[in-house]
Amino acid sequence: QQQVKQSPQSLIVQKGGISIINCAYENTAFDYFPWYQQFPGKGPALLIAIRPDVSEKKEGRFTISFNKSAKQFSLHIMDSQPGDSATYFCAASKMEYGNKLVFGAGTILRVKS
Amino acid sequence: DAGVTQSPTHLIKTRGQQVTLRCSPKSGHDTVSWYQQALGQGPQFIFQYYEEEERQRGNFPDRFSGHQFPNYSSELNVNALLLGDSALYLCASSQNSNQPQHFGDGTRLSIL
Repeated sequence: QQQVKQSPQSLIVQKGGISIINCAYENTAFDYFPWYQQFPGKGPALLIAIRPDVSEKKEGRFTISFNKSAKQFSLHIMDSQPGDSATYFCAASKMEYGNKLVFGAGTILRVKS
Repeated sequence: DAGVTQSPTHLIKTRGQQVTLRCSPKSGHDTVSWYQQALGQGPQFIFQYYEEEERQRGNFPDRFSGHQFPNYSSELNVNALLLGDSALYLCASSQNSNQPQHFGDGTRLSIL
């Protein structure tokens, strides 16, 4: 009930291409779904987040798509750049109960120039 | 505006020892959560502190304990260290428990 499954484990995209990372969750009580970006030697940085009352949220080149019935959400990075090369984590939580984040295993993204 | 700061950045201990890690939350934040990130994995929730009390706890043994001070800073203590405790320990803070969490860069703990 607490798992968040993330795929793929790693991803190689050409510069200018679209990077897509998928996550699936089990606990229907989750109501907050953030994505974090982590560079080597750094902590995770909040990238974008969505609540289940909307199906899509866009911030610059980053878009979250959310499918409540399928219990899935995904991150799309448009016009991917070499500087986007990092590890991306999806997460889920129940905001009302202290926002304890349950993370996916991560996706290592490499953008080739 | 300083973000979440953690100290030390790196630490080497031997099995059986005890360690204390420290965290200063982002200005204006009153809630501190601790996570353990093993190499190649996502962070795992240890516990959360609010108003100097442990509010929530993840699936970690009692060897892991913490404290929050009146200025909202926090400590993570781990007793009787095991090889498996080697990991990056992350602190995250938020303004109230139902707001987004912001992470520090962590303390890399190595157990020999």
